[in-house]
This record gives sequence, C-alpha cells and structure tokens, in this order.
Amino acid sequence: KNEVEQSPQNLTAQEGEFITINCSYSVGISALHWLQQHPGGGIVSLFMLSSGKKKHGRLIATINIQEKHSSLHITASHPRDSAVYICAVNIASLWGSQGNLIFGKGTKLSVKP
Amino acid sequence: NAGVTQTPKFQVLKTGQSMTLQCAQDMNHNSMYWYRQDPGMGLRLIYYSASEGTTDKGEVPNGYNVSRLNKREFSLRLESAAPSQTSVYFCASIIGQYGNQPQHFGDGTRLSIL
Repeated sequence: KNEVEQSPQNLTAQEGEFITINCSYSVGISALHWLQQHPGGGIVSLFMLSSGKKKHGRLIATINIQEKHSSLHITASHPRDSAVYICAVNIASLWGSQGNLIFGKGTKLSVKP
Repeated sequence: NAGVTQTPKFQVLKTGQSMTLQCAQDMNHNSMYWYRQDPGMGLRLIYYSASEGTTDKGEVPNGYNVSRLNKREFSLRLESAAPSQTSVYFCASIIGQYGNQPQHFGDGTRLSIL
C-alpha cells in the first residue's frame, strides 16, 4: 500500500488552462512537499507546507490536514510548466529521521501551446 | 554557488563491476541523502546521513554502501553491480539534522548495468 498517492498520473492541458494535481496520504505527517522534476531530470522544491495555503507566482499549494489531502494548482498554464510534479511527506513520528521524505509516484503534466 | 553536485552524470557498468557515485554540497548542510528513481515508482531512500560521521539505512539499502567523508561529501558505492541497480540516482541535502525542511537535489546520475 502506497502511503502517498497522487492523481492523476498523467495530465495533458491546453495553454492557459487551470490545472489541479492531487495528493493523498495515509500516515501522520509533519509537513508536505511539492517538487518539480524537469524533463532534463533535475528536481526542485516548490513548496513545503504543514497547514493552509501557499502561493508562488502562478502556483498555489493547499493542504487539509484533517482530510489528509493536498492540492497543487497552476493558474494560466504554460508549456514551460510541463514537468513531473511530485508530492512527498515528512512522517511525524520517526524521531531521528524527520528530515526523511516519502514520495508519491509523480504526476506527468504536459501543457500544449 | 553550485548547490549539490553529483558525478558522474552517466555511467554504464557490467554486472559485477564496482563504482562510487560522488555527491558534494557547498551549502554547509548537515544532512545528506541518496535516492534511487525507477520508472513507475516514487523516489526511494537508499541511505542517509543526518550529520558528519553518521549514516543510516533507508528503505532500499541492500547492495549499497555509503561514506560521509566530511560535511560536504557523501558517496554511494556499488560493490558488485547488478542489473536491478540500473536506475537514476539522486543526492539531496538539507541544512538541519532533523525537522521539516526543503531538500536540495543534485541533477542525478543515470546508471545502466548490463
């Protein structure tokens, strides 16, 4: 059983569309991360959040701790947003390894011009 | 400021050969991590080092060894490579020893074992 589930696995959108990627988790967490993996392979951290909502440019991340669910939204999508988006969590109870992350399998987003 | 640097970027090995993947960070981070990424699977933790001089096993440590040479460098060694170790390997670091912080990733090493 995967502790972090993402949906959809693949997503194709037209430029300008509003995009939502979902992440659900089954364990107690202390934080949730959204990461972006470029087509060339590099991985960058987009957000880390433990409650509420964060916004950076056209990207918005929300989390609902009670429902164990997070969403990543992209407004006015652009072809340069094409990437794999990865959800990851810090498990709350593992003393000595709280920095460790458990990852979802990723959502591959393709934005067509 | 280079961040996290991994070498080599690509490598092809024959079964049974050994090699060491190098990782270095210039951000004065305390904790470092080695992951592997396989098609259809999320990143999986191989080993981590919460601080200089300490290393611990992650989810998939079998067939690997690590060395935290100093605060900057964390290497991953395959003693006798197997085709099942064909993967993309990522090194990452965070500034603290524990707690929730964004991880900084290297660009990855693409390793093929024939």
